[in-house]
Amino acid sequence: GAGVSQSPRYKVAKRGQDVALRCDPISGHVSLFWYQQALGQGPEFLTYFQNEAQLDKSGLPSDRFFAERPEGSVSTLKIQRTQQEDSAVYLCASSPGQLASTNEKLFFGSGTQLSVL
Amino acid sequence: SQQGEEDPQALSIQEGENATMNCSYKTSINNLQWYRQNSGRGLVHLILIRSNEREKHSGRLRVTLDTSKKSSSLLITASRAADTASYFCATDQYNNNDMRFGAGTRLTVKP
Repeated sequence: GAGVSQSPRYKVAKRGQDVALRCDPISGHVSLFWYQQALGQGPEFLTYFQNEAQLDKSGLPSDRFFAERPEGSVSTLKIQRTQQEDSAVYLCASSPGQLASTNEKLFFGSGTQLSVL
Repeated sequence: SQQGEEDPQALSIQEGENATMNCSYKTSINNLQWYRQNSGRGLVHLILIRSNEREKHSGRLRVTLDTSKKSSSLLITASRAADTASYFCATDQYNNNDMRFGAGTRLTVKP
């Protein structure tokens, strides 16, 4: 597709359920980011991939959060045993190259709004 | 944690007026970027300014960067109701590959 695609657009989960959020970046983009955005706040960094390698996962809030990008394209963010505080919009972004060396911008998807009841 | 902080948190102006938003950050950077977000949507890139640049223009947007003060400003001239959105600054971190965002300025332009 032409842009970054995220699915589902909305997800309602009961507390304790596991959820999986999908991100399809722009074809050929090397860098992929996941962010968590609470209502009225800015995006908080979760994790970063360069191709299939997860180079930074320092933003993942707990070991219930896990992200993967096994073939260097599609990425999945998994949250186990969801809690109410996990309710937020999860944004995925991609970039053509490695940011530090290319000064490139991020292309964002529309996000997945997760509500944990 | 977030790298940048925008100020003000919220700004309300009349159509035709100029809007100025400020951003401060903490570490050395390669570049600083400004993004816009309409309610319920993803972020859209507006403008990028490199660490060796002091000012940049794009249409009605003007961005300045002061690396000695670790601060940037975004000026939107002749604002329109359609400019109503949240605006975020984002910085990479020198020799790092991630990008961190501030909390944003919520701009309302009244027709």
